[in-house]
Amino acid sequence: DGGITQSPKYLFRKEGQNVTLSCEQNLNHDAMYWYRQDPGQGLRLIYYSQIVNDFQKGDIAEGYSVSREKKESFPLTVTSAQKNPTAFYLCASSPPGTEFRYGYTFGSGTRLTVV
Amino acid sequence: DAKTTQPPSMDCAEGRAANLPCNHSTISGNEYVYWYRQIHSQGPQYIIHGLKNNETNEMASLIITEDRKSSTLILPHATLRDTAVYYCIVRVLYGGSQGNLIFGKGTKLSVKP
Repeated sequence: DGGITQSPKYLFRKEGQNVTLSCEQNLNHDAMYWYRQDPGQGLRLIYYSQIVNDFQKGDIAEGYSVSREKKESFPLTVTSAQKNPTAFYLCASSPPGTEFRYGYTFGSGTRLTVV
Repeated sequence: DAKTTQPPSMDCAEGRAANLPCNHSTISGNEYVYWYRQIHSQGPQYIIHGLKNNETNEMASLIITEDRKSSTLILPHATLRDTAVYYCIVRVLYGGSQGNLIFGKGTKLSVKP
């Protein structure tokens, strides 16, 4: 079945460490996105990529980095510069413009906790 | 900032219709209304979308006012599994970064036995 896979589901990090969250899709979607969600809040856009080898900052990119070397993969690195990294991270993908009609497909999320 | 306004929470009795309102008074002519829902600790799930006509699918109905400044998502026979946060979003259908989905806080729907 086609879909988006995020791993791991739960992740614990010590303060000062970088950590990379995985996002893989087999939907042949061009665009991919990373969102952050804090308790009781909506989703905030971190980074997005419309095409391989290209990506743009979203609303809260500071302290995060991404790469898009393959169409299927869009890993997110949470760096030590991110002041409050504890959150629920969601990855999504969408097909190109004319096929967008049904919106985004989301992964099941990674819950990151800094200990 | 989100371009929509939704009540923070609503209750609904199991088996009854759940009517979730959304205001989008600044919606542009080429922007669609999308609804997603998020069950606790899962990724959001697409429900339905529309431009100006009412829409219905197997999950829900979407009623958009004639002036397009507000809409209502209707779950005709709510079940306990419909308990979730429901997000109303407006966006262009095409348009690269202009089409990025902006999620507000949504409406937390609690379906009660």
